[in-house]
Amino acid sequence: DAGITQSPRYKITETGRQVTLMCHQTWSHSYMFWYRQDLGHGLRLIYYSAAADITDKGEVPDGYVVSRSKTENFPLTLESATRSQTSVYFCASEGQTDTQYFGPGTRLTVL
Amino acid sequence: QKEVEQNSGPLSVPEGAIASLNCTYSDRGSQSFFWYRQYSGKSPELIMSIYSNGDKEDGRFTAQLNKASQYVSLLIRDSQPSDSATYLCAVNDWGDDKIIFGKGTRLHILP
Repeated sequence: DAGITQSPRYKITETGRQVTLMCHQTWSHSYMFWYRQDLGHGLRLIYYSAAADITDKGEVPDGYVVSRSKTENFPLTLESATRSQTSVYFCASEGQTDTQYFGPGTRLTVL
Repeated sequence: QKEVEQNSGPLSVPEGAIASLNCTYSDRGSQSFFWYRQYSGKSPELIMSIYSNGDKEDGRFTAQLNKASQYVSLLIRDSQPSDSATYLCAVNDWGDDKIIFGKGTRLHILP
C-alpha cells in the first residue's frame, strides 16, 4: 500500500542496547524527518534528510544516528539506548508545498 | 530561536458550537502554515494548510491567516465529539528545510 510505514510499532529494550527504528515511504518524497514526542515538549526534530545520502541534525540529535542509502528508507538508530530516550518516535515525509505526512509511530521503552 | 506558540488548553466547547484555536509564530518570513489533528495514541494528520492572508474554508474547518500580526487560527463549526483531539499548529522555517510545530492545544467537545 502507498504511504509511510514504521516498524516496529512497539519496542522494549534495555539501557545500553542498540536499537534501530525503520521508516519506509512509497511516495518517493525527497524529504524525510524523524521526530520524538514527549509530554510537555511536543514534537521535537531529531534528524532530517533532503535526499539519499544527505542528512542533517535537528533540535535533539545527540545519541541518535541516521542513514539514507535509498530514497524510500530512513532508519533511525539509537547507538546505546538510555532511559531518557523512552518516547514515541514519528517518521514523516514531505510532499509538495512543505506538507508533511506522518507514519503511525513507534512507542519505545528503555528499561 | 524560532517559535510557534499555542495555548495548551484544554479548551472545552459544547457540541454544536464553534471551536476557535489560535497560534502565533515568530518567523516573519514564514510562508506555509498548517493545522494537524492528533488523536490520543495516534500520529498527527493534516487537516488544513494555508499560504496567503485571509480565510480558507474546507467543510466545517476554516483556517485564518494574518501575516502582519503573525497569527493563524482554526475555526471548527458545528463541533462534534469526534473533534476532541490535540491540534498542532505548524509553520515552515523560512530559509531552512524544516517545519516548526507548536506544542498543541487539547480540544474537548462536551456532548
